[in-house]
Amino acid sequence: EAGVTQFPSHSVIEKGQTVTLRCDPISGHDNLYWYRRVMGKEIKFLLHFVKESKQDESGMPNNRFLAERTGGTYSTLKVQPAELEDSGVYFCASSKGPSYEQYFGPGTRLTVT
Amino acid sequence: AQRVTQPEKLLSVFKGAPVELKCNYSYSGSPELFWYVQYSRQRLQLLLRHISRESIKGFTADLNKGETSFHLKKPFAQEEDSAMYYCALSGRGATNKLIFGTGTLLAVQP
Repeated sequence: EAGVTQFPSHSVIEKGQTVTLRCDPISGHDNLYWYRRVMGKEIKFLLHFVKESKQDESGMPNNRFLAERTGGTYSTLKVQPAELEDSGVYFCASSKGPSYEQYFGPGTRLTVT
Repeated sequence: AQRVTQPEKLLSVFKGAPVELKCNYSYSGSPELFWYVQYSRQRLQLLLRHISRESIKGFTADLNKGETSFHLKKPFAQEEDSAMYYCALSGRGATNKLIFGTGTLLAVQP
């Protein structure tokens, strides 16, 4: 069984540019989560999808971040325009349901210069 | 406030020594507690959760509601235990978002 995949593995962009991160969950997992770890800080929740609906987006830092999950399959997280403080590792996780184990992807390392 | 505290950034022990990774939490309600581990060049993975009461790779963790702690223990450390360990909690509801601590790097010396 393929695990959660994320693309790209690393992205370097300049301040003000746009970046789109992609996450492909494990097949059959309706629940998809985004987290990020900023340098030196803890891993923080961003948002949670159930199929294509946003169940909880309380962790989204501001309106420069836009997450979508069209068709309830893969998800994208767009940062527009990127700021220096957006640098960090963005993790995606998926699970069968809210009480099931969350399986994490390898993460996307975003560097904003 | 919902918070997970891991006071040690780094814990260095010798092979065969006992290990205790500390975790304290703050949560209004009855959370579920987890330990996640990230080995070098691998992804974050679940090590154990308090409701399962299992011992995984020789590790155990007991939830102490009075002290709001969920310390991870292993009687005899192995070199392959070297990794980053994260304590996390989630509420019980429609969204079990995880709240993580800052992590403890366990280094087991030969």
